[in-house]
Amino acid sequence: LAKTTQPISMDSYEGQEVNITCSHNNIATNDYITWYQQFPSQGPRFIIQGYKTKVTNEVASLFIPADRKSSTLSLPRVSLSDTAVYYCLVGERYGGSQGNLIFGKGTKLSVKP
Amino acid sequence: GAVVSQHPSWVICKSGTSVKIECRSLDFQATTMFWYRQFPKQSLMLMATSNEGSKATYEQGVEKDKFLINHASLTLSTLTVTSAHPEDSSFYICSAKGREGLPPLYEQYFGPGTRLTVT
Repeated sequence: LAKTTQPISMDSYEGQEVNITCSHNNIATNDYITWYQQFPSQGPRFIIQGYKTKVTNEVASLFIPADRKSSTLSLPRVSLSDTAVYYCLVGERYGGSQGNLIFGKGTKLSVKP
Repeated sequence: GAVVSQHPSWVICKSGTSVKIECRSLDFQATTMFWYRQFPKQSLMLMATSNEGSKATYEQGVEKDKFLINHASLTLSTLTVTSAHPEDSSFYICSAKGREGLPPLYEQYFGPGTRLTVT
């Protein structure tokens, strides 16, 4: 499984757009990029998944350059409730034959009023 | 969306006793379930992978005799912490993965977690 590197923490203010970048230099051809959000004392929640270019859903966008060695999670107009830890994971779409996910350290996003 | 539940949400037990944590997929069949442990201010660490009807696969360093996992049905997996000690106090999270090709498709769905405190 490809290793990922993310900033340990980020600060933002309400209403701003937040971009969290994840590096995954050793991403394999079959790997997808998935982002999860975790609030304190809760299980992670799936945000978005992509393979290349851009993916958008109701909560976020995921930008993946052509070389796929990095990706950027974009959260539009964050609110206080977006304060959480965001994890970037790289692996086969269904997690491979085992399906296990390997979590890195994540990025702690703090949104201030 | 797919829902995974855990029970109990928190538990306090005395050192030396055993405690069982249940993980259920409520609206889909989970062929594979995973158990994670998370210490304060740390990331999730995979403990084991369980497939319905077969023995669990444990990650390196996880004692299989201490953390007993049973995946008896397509909707239920249990983690039993045997002879618990204070150092086993942690946040235990399960996740479930559906059958490939059937909803839910892409991602694992996580339970809300169980806070275990061993006194």
